[in-house]
Amino acid sequence: QVQLQESGPGLVKPSETLSLTCTVPGDPISSHYWSWIRQPPGREPEWIGYIYYSGSTNYSPSLKSRVTISLDTSKNQFSLRLKSMTAADTAVYYCARSIFLRFDYWGQGILVTVSS
Amino acid sequence: QSVLTQPPSVSGAAGQRVTISCTGGSSNIGAGFDVHWYQQLAGTAPKLLIYANNNRPSGVPDRISGSKSGTSASLAITGLQAEDEADYYCQSYDTSLNGVIFGGGTKLTVL
Repeated sequence: QVQLQESGPGLVKPSETLSLTCTVPGDPISSHYWSWIRQPPGREPEWIGYIYYSGSTNYSPSLKSRVTISLDTSKNQFSLRLKSMTAADTAVYYCARSIFLRFDYWGQGILVTVSS
Repeated sequence: QSVLTQPPSVSGAAGQRVTISCTGGSSNIGAGFDVHWYQQLAGTAPKLLIYANNNRPSGVPDRISGSKSGTSASLAITGLQAEDEADYYCQSYDTSLNGVIFGGGTKLTVL
């Protein structure tokens, strides 16, 4: 059973940058694709992007200008940075393992609220 | 509005069969991309329920099945149980949007 754990702030001010980290104990991050997905309250999940262990990335076109996903193989972690946060970015943020464009393991999620 | 269309809600009595549809188009399901289904219990993360149209991950009971035809897919649950009450999402890939897409979700109520 692959476990993923998100960590980061639960509150971000408008215009600031969100930084989240996903730790994957027990499963080498140097394999598979690793994704970030978010889910606004009462809405469906929204894919943000993924990173391959080689470092190559693919981002949602709607968020591409504001997103960076990176990998730290020494810590078995991957991270999300989302710039210029607004209230519309308030959501539960999930990290997940990806295989063949599906998500087979998810973290428990972290609620991020954008408010001054 | 989601590119993949699902009914907002379905319901069924315990023991009955329900189906949830997921309708897409020529740039996603109709283009041959697989459909995956997730179950989300209240307050928890989505869980992969069906992958690649009709495959069950280990641990998912065989009373849950998926199918795909043309530009649509369906999830079927037989022998409804109270524990099936959840939100269900379909997911695929869209070449026009160049990204992963999710359906709007369907809330299943077990009467």
